[in-house]
Amino acid sequence: DGGITQSPKYLFRKEGQNVTLSCEQNLNHDAMYWYRQDPGQGLRLIYYSQIVNDFQKGDIAEGYSVSREKKESFPLTVTSAQKNPTAFYLCASVGQRDGLAKNIQYFGAGTRLSVL
Amino acid sequence: RKEVEQDPGPFNVPEGATVAFNCTYSNSASQSFFWYRQDCRKEPKLLMSVYSSGNEDGRFTAQLNRASQYISLLIRDSKLSDSATYLCVVTTASGGSYIPTFGRGTSLIVHP
Repeated sequence: DGGITQSPKYLFRKEGQNVTLSCEQNLNHDAMYWYRQDPGQGLRLIYYSQIVNDFQKGDIAEGYSVSREKKESFPLTVTSAQKNPTAFYLCASVGQRDGLAKNIQYFGAGTRLSVL
Repeated sequence: RKEVEQDPGPFNVPEGATVAFNCTYSNSASQSFFWYRQDCRKEPKLLMSVYSSGNEDGRFTAQLNRASQYISLLIRDSKLSDSATYLCVVTTASGGSYIPTFGRGTSLIVHP
């Protein structure tokens, strides 16, 4: 089955620690995105990548870093500089469906990050 | 001004009711429009794309009004299983990239 896999499902971070969230897709999509969702809020864009070895900051990139060494993979690192990291993190890739609409986002199941 | 605005609700309706959600967007250059459904503690899933000509998928009808910059979603004959948060998504081209902006979502509760 084609899809997007995020791991782990739950993650706990200690003070001063960097943690990395995994996102892998086998949909052969070029574009990938990372979002953060806080309770009762919409999704906010952290970083996005249109092609391998290139990525751009979104609206709330401070305290986060990414890499895009392979088309299939777009890991997100939450650094110690991110003072309020507790949130639901969603990874998405963008592709076309049924030859009709473009720019459809396909999401992974998400990672819930909490601070110990 | 927030780029994509939705009434957060909740909309509390009985089974069988018809309910409508609206979403407004501020960037007139926006190109693609979608409704997503998000269940509690789950990822968003595409419900339908939205076209200027309007489109229908079973009990769901979506409409785009570019002149007024709003998108609507109509749900007819509501089912208990329709209870979820509905997210409006607007995508805008920027420097060769497509940047999606999400509304905060409208919560729907369908009760017996």
